[in-house]
Amino acid sequence: EIVLTQSPATLSLSPGERATLSCRASESVISYLAWYQQKPGQPPRLLIYDASNRATGIPARFSGSGSGTDFTLTISSLEPEDFAVYYCQQRSNWRVTFGGGTKVEMK
Amino acid sequence: EAQLLQSGGGLVQPGGSLRLSCAASGFTFSIHPMSWVRQAPGKEPEWVSGISASGGSTYYADSVKGRFTISRDDSKKTLFLQMISLRAEDSAIYYCAKEEMGFDFWGQGTLVTVSS
Repeated sequence: EIVLTQSPATLSLSPGERATLSCRASESVISYLAWYQQKPGQPPRLLIYDASNRATGIPARFSGSGSGTDFTLTISSLEPEDFAVYYCQQRSNWRVTFGGGTKVEMK
Repeated sequence: EAQLLQSGGGLVQPGGSLRLSCAASGFTFSIHPMSWVRQAPGKEPEWVSGISASGGSTYYADSVKGRFTISRDDSKKTLFLQMISLRAEDSAIYYCAKEEMGFDFWGQGTLVTVSS
């Protein structure tokens, strides 16, 4: 099973600041990595697929990069609605795993 | 607009069974792989099971293999998860999810509690 390790566990930032979230895979997932945002009481929401492609309706302030084992989600300028938990997810031959999450909280 | 409406779930004793359903609308259900993903309180999501678009291939997490069965009825646009021999550690919110370049649409979730 491929293990995804996210860092940091918590990111304390203010609106308007840049957020940089990391996801490291225990072995290469090529570019088959997605990012999700989750708010309390809601299901996860797809932000990025295949490492760098924004899902439908996702604002341009969200961007993804990386390949192989190291990936980054960047939020260029935090809006109040962006404070949430973010998960990375990989799929390798239907063996899907999620990272432990990064909570982006308001400073 | 795509919609996934879940039903089933509830409180069940250890060793018991439950069947979850997920009714799809607003998209062509039959051409999409589908999955079940669960999430225990305060934890990350855990993929449980997936099924190919044709229904000919099914996949399971090791933690549920042999106890859970995923299926789909394309004529009714419905996804199912039959769960038997339930354990306390199966307690979670269960989501169905449509797959297209990632899990791009999720149901509202249904709570499964396994407790005596």
